[in-house]
Amino acid sequence: NAGVMQNPRHLVRRRGQEARLRCSPMKGHSHVYWYRQLPEEGLKFMVYLQKENIIDESGMPKERFSAEFPKEGPSILRIQQVVRGDSAAYFCASSHGTLNTGELFFGEGSRLTVL
Amino acid sequence: KQEVTQIPAALSVPEGENLVLNCSFTDSAIYNLQWFRQDPGKGLTSLLLIQSSQREQTSGRLNASLDKSSGRSTLYIAASQPGDSATYLCAVANFGNEKLTFGTGTRLTIIP
Repeated sequence: NAGVMQNPRHLVRRRGQEARLRCSPMKGHSHVYWYRQLPEEGLKFMVYLQKENIIDESGMPKERFSAEFPKEGPSILRIQQVVRGDSAAYFCASSHGTLNTGELFFGEGSRLTVL
Repeated sequence: KQEVTQIPAALSVPEGENLVLNCSFTDSAIYNLQWFRQDPGKGLTSLLLIQSSQREQTSGRLNASLDKSSGRSTLYIAASQPGDSATYLCAVANFGNEKLTFGTGTRLTIIP
């Protein structure tokens, strides 16, 4: 049973470009979470999705950031018009049910560098 | 608003010693608490999950305890090995939302 798969593992973008980060949850998991880890800081919640629905996006910046988890295919975190402050590691996690019922499993992360 | 603190931020210990990592949280209305390990440049590996009704969980040389009323958890590592060197993170899941709140971690170095 493969774990949470994220790609790309490393992504370099110039200011103003778009970044798309993909996440395939563990088999059988329908709950997906995105977290961001800025240099020398802890992980911060961004967004929680279930299939075709955004459940909680309270941690996501209001502009330039969007997330989706379509019926088919991976979850996508999209950052438009990237700025240097977006440089960070973006982690996806999945679970079988809600957090009160089980563990959260994390991917290896996608490390975005904005030049 | 939940706040999670981990002290110390860094710890160096000779190989073979037992050690304790600390985690404290301000809001005791939690579902569970989870300990993770993060190696440099890598993702998070789940070590132990303690439900709010439990006092402790064990896995191999690791033992995690939870005192919800005082807002504290400890991760005990027995007979430390160089391979245990990593950053250890604790995270809590609060009632009413689906977000983990993470501490900033303890960077552990085991000296051979």
